Amino acid sequence: AQSVAQPEDQVNVAEGNPLTVKCTYSVSGNPYLFWYVQYPNRGLQFLLKYITGDNLVKGSYGFEAEFNKSQTSFHLKKPSALVSDSALYFCAVRDTYGNNRLAFGKGNQVVVIP
Amino acid sequence: GAGVSQTPSNKVTEKGKYVELRCDPISGHTALYWYRQSLGQGPEFLIYFQGTGAADDSGLPNDRFFAVRPEGSVSTLKIQRTERGDSAVYLCASSSDSFTNTGELFFGEGSRLTVL
Repeated sequence: AQSVAQPEDQVNVAEGNPLTVKCTYSVSGNPYLFWYVQYPNRGLQFLLKYITGDNLVKGSYGFEAEFNKSQTSFHLKKPSALVSDSALYFCAVRDTYGNNRLAFGKGNQVVVIP
Repeated sequence: GAGVSQTPSNKVTEKGKYVELRCDPISGHTALYWYRQSLGQGPEFLIYFQGTGAADDSGLPNDRFFAVRPEGSVSTLKIQRTERGDSAVYLCASSSDSFTNTGELFFGEGSRLTVL
């Protein structure tokens, strides 16, 4: 069964500083990896995904993530955080063996301090 | 509308009552998912539909939970004899891609269920 670990509960970062949200995963085969963001009173929104190919993927709102197979990680990054990036971020994984279930981590609250 | 629509947005009920939660997916999306999100947790998979059929219902916690999608579009999640532990936000998502498993899910804003 696939699973995701997001080790930090909350990430605090000053506006303009780099932002990193950590994610490690476990799957039986090759992973399909996703990041979603949840703003207050809003539904989950897709940010980016890794399916195959280049390990560095770029997504919405200036976010990117790097797939590292040896470390089974898929950390989310943004070079310069904005106050509007304050939200709840979820990493999710699906395996490639026909299992349609997307397994989510518990989420990380990101607080960008002005 | 263009997105996934869920009703009601909030539902308060008493222990033991029956509840229905409705999801209207994005038009043309054949795959539909139900997830449950408890406070401080990530979404937890409940059931997945491909068209009208439940392709994977392994996440349903017990036989009090049931979901249907009779015409391959709107889905209803049904909870019988509700318990306080059923209190959570129930999320619906749809996707245009099911065969390759690579597509992202589009989520509704959820139905918040509170069982008193």
